[in-house]
Amino acid sequence: DAGITQSPRYKITETGRQVTLMCHQTWSHSYMFWYRQDLGHGLRLIYYSAAADITDKGEVPDGYVVSRSKTENFPLTLESATRSQTSVYFCASSEPGRADEQFFGPGTRLTVL
Amino acid sequence: KQEVTQIPAALSVPEGENLVLNCSFTDSAIYNLQWFRQDPGKGLTSLLLIQSSQREQTSGRLNASLDKSSGRSTLYIAASQPGDSATYLCAVSGNNRLAFGKGNQVVVIP
Repeated sequence: DAGITQSPRYKITETGRQVTLMCHQTWSHSYMFWYRQDLGHGLRLIYYSAAADITDKGEVPDGYVVSRSKTENFPLTLESATRSQTSVYFCASSEPGRADEQFFGPGTRLTVL
Repeated sequence: KQEVTQIPAALSVPEGENLVLNCSFTDSAIYNLQWFRQDPGKGLTSLLLIQSSQREQTSGRLNASLDKSSGRSTLYIAASQPGDSATYLCAVSGNNRLAFGKGNQVVVIP
C-alpha cells in the first residue's frame, strides 16, 4: 500500500509491559514524526527523525524510545507502559526541508490498563 | 516555545451558516500555517497551507487568512453543511516541526 501506515490500529496492554507501535511510509520521506493526541492537550510531538539513524526528542519524550534503522520505518517503543500513556498515537512523514508539510498516518489507539 | 490557541473549543451551527474558526500563536517567526480536518477516529487531512509571505489561501468553500504580525489566522467555511462536522486543527511550522492547537470541534446541525 502506498502512503503511510501504522500498526496495530488498536492495542490494549497492561501497565509495565513493553509495547511497540509501527510506522511505515512508502514515499522515502526523510523526516518522520511521532505524536500523541490527548483530550485537552491536542497533538504533542514525542520524537522525530530527520533521516535514518538520526532521531531527536520532541515535547514529551519521557517513557518512549525510537529507532530508525531504515528510512521507511520509524517504530515507537514504550519500554514499560503506564496508564498515562493511554492515547492516540499518530505517525507522520515529510520531504527534506519540508517538515512543515507532514502527511499523517491513520493513528493507533493505545489503552494501558 | 510556540503556543497555539484555538477558540472556540467547540461550536454548533445550523446548516447554511458560515463558520468562523480562530487560531492564534505566540511566536510570529513561523514558516507557514496549516489547517487540518480530523474526523472522529481518523487521522489528519490537510485542508489549506498558507506560506508566511501570504495573506490568505482559498479552496472551494474554505478560506484561510493569516496575519503574522498579530499572530492570528482565521478559517472561514461558507454555507456550512452537515458533512463539515469535524474537528479543525491549526498548526504552525518552524524549526522543522509543527506546533498544534487543541482544535475547534464543529457540529453542523441539519
